[in-house]
Amino acid sequence: AQTVTQSQPEMSVQEAETVTLSCTYDTSESDYYLFWYKQPPSRQMILVIRQEAYKQQNATENRFSVNFQKAAKSFSLKISDSQLGDAAMYFCAYRSARSGGTSYGKLTFGQGTILTVHP
Amino acid sequence: EPEVTQTPSHQVTQMGQEVILRCVPISNHLYFYWYRQILGQKVEFLVSFYNNEISEKSEIFDDQFSVERPDGSNFTLKIRSTKLEDSAMYFCASSSTGPATNEKLFFGSGTQLSVL
Repeated sequence: AQTVTQSQPEMSVQEAETVTLSCTYDTSESDYYLFWYKQPPSRQMILVIRQEAYKQQNATENRFSVNFQKAAKSFSLKISDSQLGDAAMYFCAYRSARSGGTSYGKLTFGQGTILTVHP
Repeated sequence: EPEVTQTPSHQVTQMGQEVILRCVPISNHLYFYWYRQILGQKVEFLVSFYNNEISEKSEIFDDQFSVERPDGSNFTLKIRSTKLEDSAMYFCASSSTGPATNEKLFFGSGTQLSVL
């Protein structure tokens, strides 16, 4: 079974600065997808960024980028020019790329990292 | 952007009672999911549903739980006899394509279930 670990329960950053959230995962599969979700106080789950394991190039979405290290099974999220609205719980998640089988589309989440942004 | 709608936003029930949580997925989506999040803990997969049947379920999804898509638009989660430990936020999600893609899951805003 796949597991996802976020070792930082809480992180903080000054507005306009950069912060990196860590995520590691364990899997025996070679083909999969990785995601970062943001959960603000409203508790809605919002997709921030996604990465296909077969792609070597790191995904970027505006101020958000990832550092995907497949061999190390590491998938960190970098937030540049942090804004007050970035304050939230961030979840790293894994999804198998195999159809059918025992992992039919489910996301496996890490424990989450609470990000505080100081003005 | 299209939305997954969940009702009610809050549900309070007595232990042992049956509850039905309702979701309206995005209209052209084919894959449906329920997840739950106990306060302060990680989001956990419950069940996936495709082509009018369960595709996969977790060990949490025991005989007390059932899902249904009764009318082609709603997707419901029923808990037959609620326990205190069922208190959690329940999220519905849907996607248009299957697991072998990077298609994102669209999540609803959740139903906070409190079992007293």
